[in-house]
Amino acid sequence: DIVMTQSPDSLGVSLGERATINCKSSQSVLYSSNNKNYLAWYQQKPGQPPKLLISWASTREFGVPDRFSGSGSGTDFTLTISSLQAEDVAVYYCQQYYSIPPAFGGGTKVEIK
Amino acid sequence: QVQLQESGPGLVKPSQTLSLTCSVSGGSISRGSHYWSWIRQPAGKGLEWIGRIYISGSTNYNPSLKSRVTMSVDTSKNQFSLRLSSVTAADTAVYYCARDGEQLALQAVWGQGTLVTVSS
Repeated sequence: DIVMTQSPDSLGVSLGERATINCKSSQSVLYSSNNKNYLAWYQQKPGQPPKLLISWASTREFGVPDRFSGSGSGTDFTLTISSLQAEDVAVYYCQQYYSIPPAFGGGTKVEIK
Repeated sequence: QVQLQESGPGLVKPSQTLSLTCSVSGGSISRGSHYWSWIRQPAGKGLEWIGRIYISGSTNYNPSLKSRVTMSVDTSKNQFSLRLSSVTAADTAVYYCARDGEQLALQAVWGQGTLVTVSS
């Protein structure tokens, strides 16, 4: 099974500043036949289910603000919030969907500093 | 727009079987090439994928739970279900149902979740 590791566990960022979350997979999630990374990012606000933000490591879902961006390839990935807004306070999870079982990282809690 | 809603007992006794149903509205469960997943989250902890089912009845389960999990689908009712046997306190969690992406094992649409507590 692929294991996903996120860092940091929590992050305090001032409003308007950049937040960066890292995610590492225990093996590559890049599928060579289509050159796509099977890596997703989710946002979970308190009391709510997770919401899919980004798939294919860098493709934002419809309606996701462009301050959210994903990057990386192979085993190392990053979620960046370019200018943190109050409504971005949440726990963020990465997930590999390259193989079964799909696995989530442990989550990164983003708070306002 | 597809919506999902979990239902089932909120309290289950140790050693018994947890049973949940996910009702799909706003679209047919049979439409498209989607798997339908169950995910759980203990209070204050991360997400654990339990397994998924296709409308054909084909399933994939997390090896960590495989011996205790059974999933089924009822296309006539637009529902799919989860059974988890021999539960312990460690199975206490919010249980989510979700629709996967087209032929992808990511969860694109989620239900609101239902808390299941295992306690005598």
